[in-house]
Amino acid sequence: AQSVTQLGSHVSVSEGALVLLRCNYSSSVPPYLFWYVQYPNQGLQLLLKYTSAATLVKGINGFEAEFKKSETSFHLTKPSAHMSDAAEYFCAVDTGRRALTFGSGTRLQVQP
Amino acid sequence: ETGVTQSPTHLIKTRGQQVTLRCSSQSGHNTVSWYQQALGQGPQFIFQYYREEENGRGNFPPRFSGLQFPNYSSELNVNALELDDSALYLCASSEQGVYNEQFFGPGTRLTVL
Repeated sequence: AQSVTQLGSHVSVSEGALVLLRCNYSSSVPPYLFWYVQYPNQGLQLLLKYTSAATLVKGINGFEAEFKKSETSFHLTKPSAHMSDAAEYFCAVDTGRRALTFGSGTRLQVQP
Repeated sequence: ETGVTQSPTHLIKTRGQQVTLRCSSQSGHNTVSWYQQALGQGPQFIFQYYREEENGRGNFPPRFSGLQFPNYSSELNVNALELDDSALYLCASSEQGVYNEQFFGPGTRLTVL
């Protein structure tokens, strides 16, 4: 069965610093991978998706993620954090079984 | 283009009661999925509906049931509510077969007392 593991339930960075949120997946078939963001009391918003077209995927709000098959990773990065990036981030995997399987989430705090 | 909408926003029920949550899918989307997100956790897949038929189900008991209507809107019904059913219930719509890219609504916060 497919799964994702997000390392670090809380990440704190200073405004302007690099953001790195980690996601490792487990899948016996080539996966589709997603990053979603959730702001307080809101639903999930898609940041970016990997669908095997290119290993480096660019998303909204300056975020990007790189698919590394050898490391089974799909880490999310942003060169310079902004206060508005503070939110909960979820990595998710789909292998064609109708459902997205989500990680447990990483709460990003951005310090001024 | 109208996004995914859900109603009600918040709901308080007591143990043993029944609840119905509603979802309107995004224009052009024919598939609706429901997820349960307990506090501090990632969403868990409940089931998916495509063309009014259940198209996949997660590890949830039969007291969780659903419907999809011809206009692709959907309902989630939960019978015999338990305290552990307290959660944010998220609806997501998508086009069948398009990388399963799902668009989420704002959710319904259910509290069971």
